[in-house]
Amino acid sequence: AQTVTQSQPEMSVQEAETVTLSCTYDTSENNYYLFWYKQPPSRQMILVIRQEAYKQQNATENRFSVNFQKAAKSFSLKISDSQLGDTAMYFCASHNYNNNDMRFGAGTRLTVKP
Amino acid sequence: GAGVSQSPSNKVTEKGKDVELRCDPISGHTALYWYRQSLGQGLEFLIYFQGNSAPDKSGLPSDRFSAERTGGSVSTLTIQRTQQEDSAVYLCASSFRGLNTEAFFGQGTRLTVV
Repeated sequence: AQTVTQSQPEMSVQEAETVTLSCTYDTSENNYYLFWYKQPPSRQMILVIRQEAYKQQNATENRFSVNFQKAAKSFSLKISDSQLGDTAMYFCASHNYNNNDMRFGAGTRLTVKP
Repeated sequence: GAGVSQSPSNKVTEKGKDVELRCDPISGHTALYWYRQSLGQGLEFLIYFQGNSAPDKSGLPSDRFSAERTGGSVSTLTIQRTQQEDSAVYLCASSFRGLNTEAFFGQGTRLTVV
């Protein structure tokens, strides 16, 4: 079974600053995807960004980017120019392509301060 | 439907009673997942179904918990003899096995055991 670890239960950042959320994972599979999901107070999970493990280039979505270190099994999320609306729980997830197994980390609660 | 639908959205039950939580995934999605989220906490994996394969039940916390998926579509999570520690939000997600797959989540069922 795969495991996902998020070692930062809570983080805060000033509006317009940059913050990095950490995630490590462990899987024996070769074909997998990594995701960051955001869960605002509404409780609805929203996909932030995805990374295919076979791609070396780090994924980027507007203000969100990842630092994918495959050998180290690390997958951090960088949020640039933080906005108040970024305040949420952020979950890292690993998704095995072959069996569709998907596991999440414990989450990081991010607060953006004005 | 357009998204993952869960019912009921809220459920209050007395300790010792049985409850059934329903999840209606996105049509055509082969994988269906159940997670539990205690207040302000991370996602705890419970069970997942992939096509016609035997479900992975490794996350079910006790034999009071069971789940089934009928016809490869709708799933029901049943909790027997509910306890106060079962109080949580139960989230369901579905995904389609393929490139760039992502999981789509329902709004969850908030279960309160009194």
